[in-house]
Amino acid sequence: EDQVTQSPEALRLQEGESSSLNCSYTVSGLRGLFWYRQDPGKGPEFLFTLYSAGEEKEKERLKATLTKKESFLHITAPKPEDSATYLCAVRGAGNNRKLIWGLGTSLAVNP
Amino acid sequence: NAGVTQTPKFQVLKTGQSMTLQCAQDMNHEYMSWYRQDPGMGLRLIHYSVGAGITDQGEVPNGYNVSRSTTEDFPLRLLSAAPSQTSVYFCASSTSGDTQYFGPGTRLTVL
Repeated sequence: EDQVTQSPEALRLQEGESSSLNCSYTVSGLRGLFWYRQDPGKGPEFLFTLYSAGEEKEKERLKATLTKKESFLHITAPKPEDSATYLCAVRGAGNNRKLIWGLGTSLAVNP
Repeated sequence: NAGVTQTPKFQVLKTGQSMTLQCAQDMNHEYMSWYRQDPGMGLRLIHYSVGAGITDQGEVPNGYNVSRSTTEDFPLRLLSAAPSQTSVYFCASSTSGDTQYFGPGTRLTVL
């Protein structure tokens, strides 16, 4: 069964304290792994798409990486405005374009 | 571009009432979908559409109907509201089902 597991569930960092969020997945024939950011009371906002192992994408303080079993979202020198819930989703070959979503990691960055 | 818009933002219904959640996008995306988001459950797909006149069921379609008469609009109808349908509903659109652009959400409470 296709599955996405995100860890940790919650993470609290001090401003400037770098860390990583994990997204482990089990899917038949990965067709894409997606990272989204969700602020309270708002819809998810697209961050990155990764398609193959070894691929990396960067945007400001965020860097997403992908292996055959998991993806990491690295946050370098975070700021309070990086506080949000980060969602991971995957699409497999057999899902008929449907995304499988993780439950997210709630990140709080203290000033 | 307004992106994806949803109305209303908040709604309270009584059990048994019906209503329609509106969703519109101005990006000329073929693919649109409806999700519900509940604590501890993540995003779950209700219905989706790959183009005008074409709709299909997602993971949790019972109690909901959709139609897609135009590329821009994808309304979600609750036929007879139940307390179990209390949730936050998100509409999303994309060009191919991969990178999805979400609306701001509708917060629905069924008493």
